[in-house]
Amino acid sequence: EPEVTQTPSHQVTQMGQEVILRCVPISNHLYFYWYRQILGQKVEFLVSFYNNEISEKSEIFDDQFSVERPDGSNFTLKIRSTKLEDSAMYFCASMEDSVGNQPQHFGDGTRLSIL
Amino acid sequence: AQTVTQSQPEMSVQEAETVTLSCTYDTSESDYYLFWYKQPPSRQMILVIRQEAYKQQNATENRFSVNFQKAAKSFSLKISDSQLGDAAMYFCAYRSDTGANSKLTFGKGITLSVRP
Repeated sequence: EPEVTQTPSHQVTQMGQEVILRCVPISNHLYFYWYRQILGQKVEFLVSFYNNEISEKSEIFDDQFSVERPDGSNFTLKIRSTKLEDSAMYFCASMEDSVGNQPQHFGDGTRLSIL
Repeated sequence: AQTVTQSQPEMSVQEAETVTLSCTYDTSESDYYLFWYKQPPSRQMILVIRQEAYKQQNATENRFSVNFQKAAKSFSLKISDSQLGDAAMYFCAYRSDTGANSKLTFGKGITLSVRP
């Protein structure tokens, strides 16, 4: 069964550095998402992406964050200048379309640790 | 804005027994979708079951079923004949029925342990 893949599985970065988290969504899916889960807390929506543009973003997704789909297969999340509070598990998800009860399919996540 | 509440942080069940995980939500929308996701220690979130708000019939997937009470805004998950592999974090999630607002809103999750 097709899967969403995320790399790396764990990223350790110094505060203030830029980090790029990578995702390969399922190939025929049209909607893409990033979520994050701070340790012990709920999964929070960051951003959704459709038709090569952001369709919705949360208040967490400030100017330090950006997303890109550079080559039609990868979907990346960039954090320009990381802060300690960015430490979390980041999940990428994709969905085939928005009609009906289509589920979102999640990757294994990237654990981001900011030192 | 929609909210999802899972008030039980942890539950435990004996293997082969039945357990019910609670979820309530708040919305002013009439059409929406509800999901239960399972997150084992391997971290990937896996869809367990889904329900359309316009359907009165409760969804069932093998040993998993839901009790969907639209008026009460309640969406509980029942796991029958619990197995050791059911031990995981379970998240209840809500999605609007509009293409523009397709994000999932999650509850805090509940950790289910299964006793052998």
